[in-house]
Amino acid sequence: KNEVEQSPQNLTAQEGEFITINCSYSVGISALHWLQQHPGGGIVSLFMLSSGKKKHGRLIATINIQEKHSSLHITASHPRDSAVYICAVEKTSYDKVIFGPGTSLSVIP
Amino acid sequence: EPEVTQTPSHQVTQMGQEVILRCVPISNHLYFYWYRQILGQKVEFLVSFYNNEISEKSEIFDDQFSVERPDGSNFTLKIRSTKLEDSAMYFCASRGTGVGYTFGSGTRLTVV
Repeated sequence: KNEVEQSPQNLTAQEGEFITINCSYSVGISALHWLQQHPGGGIVSLFMLSSGKKKHGRLIATINIQEKHSSLHITASHPRDSAVYICAVEKTSYDKVIFGPGTSLSVIP
Repeated sequence: EPEVTQTPSHQVTQMGQEVILRCVPISNHLYFYWYRQILGQKVEFLVSFYNNEISEKSEIFDDQFSVERPDGSNFTLKIRSTKLEDSAMYFCASRGTGVGYTFGSGTRLTVV
């Protein structure tokens, strides 16, 4: 069993839809990261979370440490949000990170 | 916005040759990392580096691999005697205290 799992694997949405991507993990963590990988391959860090909720623009990330679960929400989705979204967990601060398999999002105009 | 710079963007090498992938992290960051992503697969951790030494490495990071910070600004990944299965995108990243990662744009390594 993978230590970090994401759902769904693939997601197609109409522009303007509210999107949720889920991440569950099975190990103790010091932090959880949400990353965005563009079609060209570049990776951008969206959020680093150790508790609660963070918001940046149309993106919201939440984490429930007890349930070992995190969600990434995108409000008012736009075609430029099309990318792979990756959940990654940090077991020990600043050291090894375990990456999830990614969720491929396509937003259609 | 500060950037992590990786060079080269593409590298093609013969099997058995040595390659050096280079990275310039953000200047005030203290933590440095190498990751790789084989085409179509998920990103994998290779190594973390702090205070001029390896702080953690994965099972992938065997004697074939080494990292160095030779001059206080560059951070290099050396792969000795490359194999076909080393073909991948290699990402460098750096972090400051209490903040998330900044990734470089990657080096696509092709071993032929």
